[in-house]
Amino acid sequence: KNEVEQSPQNLTAQEGEFITINCSYSVGISALHWLQQHPGGGIVSLFMLSSGKKKHGRLIATINIQEKHSSLHITASHPRDSAVYICAPEVDSNYQLIWGAGTKLIIKP
Amino acid sequence: DSGVTQTPKHLITATGQRVTLRCSPRSGDLSVYWYQQSLDQGLQFLIQYYNGEERAKGNILERFSAQQFPDLHSELNLSSLELGDSALYFCASSVAYSGGLYGYTFGSGTRLTVV
Repeated sequence: KNEVEQSPQNLTAQEGEFITINCSYSVGISALHWLQQHPGGGIVSLFMLSSGKKKHGRLIATINIQEKHSSLHITASHPRDSAVYICAPEVDSNYQLIWGAGTKLIIKP
Repeated sequence: DSGVTQTPKHLITATGQRVTLRCSPRSGDLSVYWYQQSLDQGLQFLIQYYNGEERAKGNILERFSAQQFPDLHSELNLSSLELGDSALYFCASSVAYSGGLYGYTFGSGTRLTVV
């Protein structure tokens, strides 16, 4: 069983829809990172969470440490949000990142 | 510009050759991480340096080596290249020995094609 499970693997939605991407992990963590990778390949760090909820523009990230679960939400989705979203928990025993397989999101106009 | 500079952006080379990828971390960051992303694969952690010293090692092949210099830039050396080494190689940096305090900053990657 993978230490990090992301769902869905692929998601296609219409512009304006509310998007949710889920991440479950099985290890103890010190923090959890959400990253965005655009088709060109570049990676951008979106959020770093150790508890609760963070909001940045139309993006919201939440984490439940007890349930070992995090979600990334996108409100009023736009075609420019099309990218791969990656969940990466940071293991508390060695501070290394473990990587989810990513969710490929396509937003159609 | 994220502040992490990777060069070159693209590299095409033949099997058996050796290449060097370079990474300059964001100003003030002491840790440098190298990752490999093969086609349609997730990121694989290769190696981490913190303030010039190797701190953690992941799935790095013996044909690969890295170092971090006194000015904190890092180089990843790939030798005896094989077709399967074709991938996107990312460098990331963080202030401390992990990203748990202030997060990670990623470079734009070097796309290596081995022919």
